[in-house]
Amino acid sequence: AQSVTQLGSHVSVSEGALVLLRCNYSSSVPPYLFWYVQYPNQGLQLLLKYTTGATLVKGINGFEAEFKKSETSFHLTKPSAHMSDAAEYFCAVSPNFGNEKLTFGTGTRLTIIP
Amino acid sequence: EAGVTQFPSHSVIEKGQTVTLRCDPISGHDNLYWYRRVMGKEIKFLLHFVKESKQDESGMPNNRFLAERTGGTYSTLKVQPAELEDSGVYFCASRRGQFNEQFFGPGTRLTVL
Repeated sequence: AQSVTQLGSHVSVSEGALVLLRCNYSSSVPPYLFWYVQYPNQGLQLLLKYTTGATLVKGINGFEAEFKKSETSFHLTKPSAHMSDAAEYFCAVSPNFGNEKLTFGTGTRLTIIP
Repeated sequence: EAGVTQFPSHSVIEKGQTVTLRCDPISGHDNLYWYRRVMGKEIKFLLHFVKESKQDESGMPNNRFLAERTGGTYSTLKVQPAELEDSGVYFCASRRGQFNEQFFGPGTRLTVL
């Protein structure tokens, strides 16, 4: 069975500051990992994904995440927060890419302080 | 191309009533998924269609939930009779073939009073 833990249901950062959203997973097989973002009144949008290969993954809007197998983590970062980053972020895991159901964390709502 | 659409965006019903949610996937996407998020909790998988066939329905909570995808295009999710604990946001996602991302709709917020 797979599970995802997102530490911090709410995170606030100042505009221009580092964004760090934490995600730890549990998986009995090598995982495929995803970060999704949901803006108000919109569907979930894929930010980035890790399948195989390079453990540092770059996504859209300046976000990146690093897969650390030893720490079972896939934390999401952005060097400088922008007001438009305010949204809810979801970490998800799948036993293989694309073909299986996603298991999500509980989400982290990111607030940007002007 | 148009994204995944869901109807209605909001539904408020009384306990014991029936509600039908609809999902229109992106044209050409043969995989269709339903997920649900109960308030404050994680988004949970309900079921997966490949064309009109149910590939995996392990997440369906009980037999009050019925999903269909006639003709392999749009899908409906019927809840009958609705209970208070069915309240939440129901998301639909679609995907083309294998090894592609799932595209999500905006969700239907269901409130059962």
